[in-house]
Amino acid sequence: AQSVSQHNHHVILSEAASLELGCNYSYGGTVNLFWYVQYPGQHLQLLLKYFSGDPLVKGIKGFEAEFIKSKFSFNLRKPSVQWSDTAEYFCAVKVPVYSGAGSYQLTFGKGTKLSVIP
Amino acid sequence: DGGITQSPKYLFRKEGQNVTLSCEQNLNHDAMYWYRQDPGQGLRLIYYSQIVNDFQKGDIAEGYSVSREKKESFPLTVTSAQKNPTAFYLCASSISGTGTPPLHFGNGTRLTVT
Repeated sequence: AQSVSQHNHHVILSEAASLELGCNYSYGGTVNLFWYVQYPGQHLQLLLKYFSGDPLVKGIKGFEAEFIKSKFSFNLRKPSVQWSDTAEYFCAVKVPVYSGAGSYQLTFGKGTKLSVIP
Repeated sequence: DGGITQSPKYLFRKEGQNVTLSCEQNLNHDAMYWYRQDPGQGLRLIYYSQIVNDFQKGDIAEGYSVSREKKESFPLTVTSAQKNPTAFYLCASSISGTGTPPLHFGNGTRLTVT
């Protein structure tokens, strides 16, 4: 079965520090990759996505992620975090399932909590 | 505005009772999903449906049941067989097919069983 690993459970940074959250997946075929964010008390929102093309993708709020196929990784980065980035971040992989044509499953990592100290 | 509506936001039940969580979407999406979110566990897929009258088990389907009689509705029943039902439940939807947009999520239902 496909899996997604997020290596850090909780990351604590000071404002203006740089951020990198790791995400590795286990699937050898074509994948679509996503990062979602969940701010305290709010629902999950899409931060950025990779389908194909340029492996460096830009998302909202200054976030970016780089797809490295050889490493099965899709790490999330931000050069300078703000207090408002405090949230939980989820990496997800969308892979086809073979029970029916056009069937897909989204597998999430366990999430990384980011706390930014003012 | 289009979106996904989950109701109620908070739900309390006694152990041994079945309970049904509602999920309605007006996005005209074909696919709908139920996830369970537990602290430190991320989101785990319970059931998903790619089309009306069809659904598939996800990774943790035991103790749950679903129906998909209408495109816009995908209710989840938490049965008394579910050993640890207290959790935050998220419904999501998407258009089916290659390169489909990512999932849209509802605001969730927090179920507490005592």
